[in-house]
Amino acid sequence: NAGVMQNPRHLVRRRGQEARLRCSPMKGHSHVYWYRQLPEEGLKFMVYLQKENIIDESGMPKERFSAEFPKEGPSILRIQQVVRGDSAAYFCASSQRTSGGTGELFFGEGSRLTVL
Amino acid sequence: GESVGLHLPTLSVQEGDNSIINCAYSNSASDYFIWYKQESGKGPQFIIDIRSNMDKRQGQRVTVLLNKTVKHLSLQIAATQPGDSAVYFCAEKGGSGSARQLTFGSGTQLTVLP
Repeated sequence: NAGVMQNPRHLVRRRGQEARLRCSPMKGHSHVYWYRQLPEEGLKFMVYLQKENIIDESGMPKERFSAEFPKEGPSILRIQQVVRGDSAAYFCASSQRTSGGTGELFFGEGSRLTVL
Repeated sequence: GESVGLHLPTLSVQEGDNSIINCAYSNSASDYFIWYKQESGKGPQFIIDIRSNMDKRQGQRVTVLLNKTVKHLSLQIAATQPGDSAVYFCAEKGGSGSARQLTFGSGTQLTVLP
């Protein structure tokens, strides 16, 4: 049973370009979370999605960032017109049920975005 | 403001010794806590969790202690091994943010010395 799969693992973009990060949750998981981690810092919540729905996007910047989790296919975190400050590791996590309960999160290996 | 933080950013221990990693939280409404281990270049890995109605929980070589009076959480690792070297994060739920999301502390780098 494969874990949470993220790709690409490393992505380099120039300022103004778009970055697309993909996340396939664990089999049987319908809840996906995106977190951002700056160097030597903790993970900061960005967005929580279920299939075809954004449940909580309180941690996601209002501009340039968007996320989706379509009925078919992986969850996508999209960053438009990237700036150097977007350089970070972006982690996806999935769970079987809402983390209002315990709903242990399983994390992927992360996608490391570098903006030149 | 509400926060989850760690007392020490780095901790070095001799192989075979016990390690204690500490975490403070500021919101008394937090009701669920998790410790994660993150190795270099990898994603966080669940270690152990504890609910606020418990004071102590034990796993394999790890113990989590929760002191709600002083809003303090600790992770104890017995007989620390080289493979335990990693950054350890505490995370909490039910206080700082939505009940659906975890709020992470900034992490402690544990280094196991030979």
